[in-house]
Amino acid sequence: TQLLEQSPQFLSIQEGENLTVYCNSSSVFSSLQWYRQEPGEGPVLLVTVVTGGEVKKLKRLTFQFGDARKDSSLHITAAQPGDTGLYLCAGSAGTYKYIFGTGTRLKVLA
Amino acid sequence: DAGITQSPRHKVTETGTPVTLRCHQTENHRYMYWYRQDPGHGLRLIHYSYGVKDTDKGEVSDGYSVSRSKTEDFLLTLESATSSQTSVYFCAIKEWTGTGYNSPLHFGNGTRLTVT
Repeated sequence: TQLLEQSPQFLSIQEGENLTVYCNSSSVFSSLQWYRQEPGEGPVLLVTVVTGGEVKKLKRLTFQFGDARKDSSLHITAAQPGDTGLYLCAGSAGTYKYIFGTGTRLKVLA
Repeated sequence: DAGITQSPRHKVTETGTPVTLRCHQTENHRYMYWYRQDPGHGLRLIHYSYGVKDTDKGEVSDGYSVSRSKTEDFLLTLESATSSQTSVYFCAIKEWTGTGYNSPLHFGNGTRLTVT
């Protein structure tokens, strides 16, 4: 069974601080996606990383795919209250299946 | 907006009763999914469909069945609801972008099901 473990599970920080969320597995994935979910809504895609070692930036968010394509990280610079939400990583386990991580709940205090 | 509608949005039912959740999409995407979301577990795949009448099991399929008689509708049925099936259920479609493993998922807004 393929599993994705995210850490930390919960994170509460002050506005302006930096943070990193980790997504780890013992399995290799074809690609890895990051989603953000807000209360009462479904997850929304932030980014897809495909190549080992790939780095993608989305404004203050930096995503990295591990060299061996088993892990990924999300770094947020100068967090803002609007970044509050549940962050989920998801690994592509073939053409049809996506395995989701356990989630990191982020709260950014003003 | 991927045009995904889930119904109902909220439901309370009693143990042992059958329940059907509906997912409707407006863009003729081939792949559709049902996930459940529980604290500490992220999203877990229940069933998925890769075409009309083509479905397969996910990691937590026990106690659930699905049907897809039309491209736009994917139904999830709990034959006899149990308290362990209290959860938030999300439907998703895969927006095919040329390579299957890169394609993003688009989610509906979920159905909160409570089994008493």
